[in-house]
Amino acid sequence: QVQLQESGPGLLRPSETLSLTCTVSGGSISSDYWSWIRQPAGKGLEWIGRIYNTGTTNYNPSLKARVTLSVDTSKNQFSLKLTSVTAADTAVYYCARDLSGGIGTTDTFYYYYAMDAWGQGTPVTVSS
Amino acid sequence: SSELTQDPAVSVALGQTVRITCQGDSLRRYYASWYQQKPGQAPVLVIYAKNNRPSGIPDRFSASNSGNTASLTITGTQAGDEADYYCNSRDSSDNHVIFGGGTKLTVL
Repeated sequence: QVQLQESGPGLLRPSETLSLTCTVSGGSISSDYWSWIRQPAGKGLEWIGRIYNTGTTNYNPSLKARVTLSVDTSKNQFSLKLTSVTAADTAVYYCARDLSGGIGTTDTFYYYYAMDAWGQGTPVTVSS
Repeated sequence: SSELTQDPAVSVALGQTVRITCQGDSLRRYYASWYQQKPGQAPVLVIYAKNNRPSGIPDRFSASNSGNTASLTITGTQAGDEADYYCNSRDSSDNHVIFGGGTKLTVL
């Protein structure tokens, strides 16, 4: 069963760059898409972006200018960099594995998307 | 549209059935996935791909879809089901991922 573990500094000063790494065990990172999600205290989930093992990425438009995702298949890891952080970036950051596909016929076809494995999350605080 | 809308809070009596809904244009093309999140814990996937439950998720959890609305139904609700529930899908452009705002389920 695949397991994910986030790691990185928990405290940053405003304007610094947040760098987090997600280590995947029990499975290969060389398949599937992998996502980052964050959750400010008491608030909902916000998708940050996703990356495929080839380096193909999708980013949340609201964060795209500050986010870079990368993948290291040799280490079975993928990483997040978020530049110019502010207090608004204070949150628990999660990594997750994407699951997607389609079901149906030519008449009735639906796609599906989910995140079926999550890391435990790592808290990040931005404070001066 | 790139939004999924959920009711902020729902309550249910112990042992009864509750339905949590999620609305959005993308749900006309995507089955919603559903996550349960208890305080201090990571979200857990409970339903995906129309009405599939990952291993370990009880069959008290089920899902349905109609038009732009997806529903998560919990039958015989237990005290341990009290949690926040989030729906999720790709957006209509297929390029981005979106979450509903979450529904806090209270078991009375």
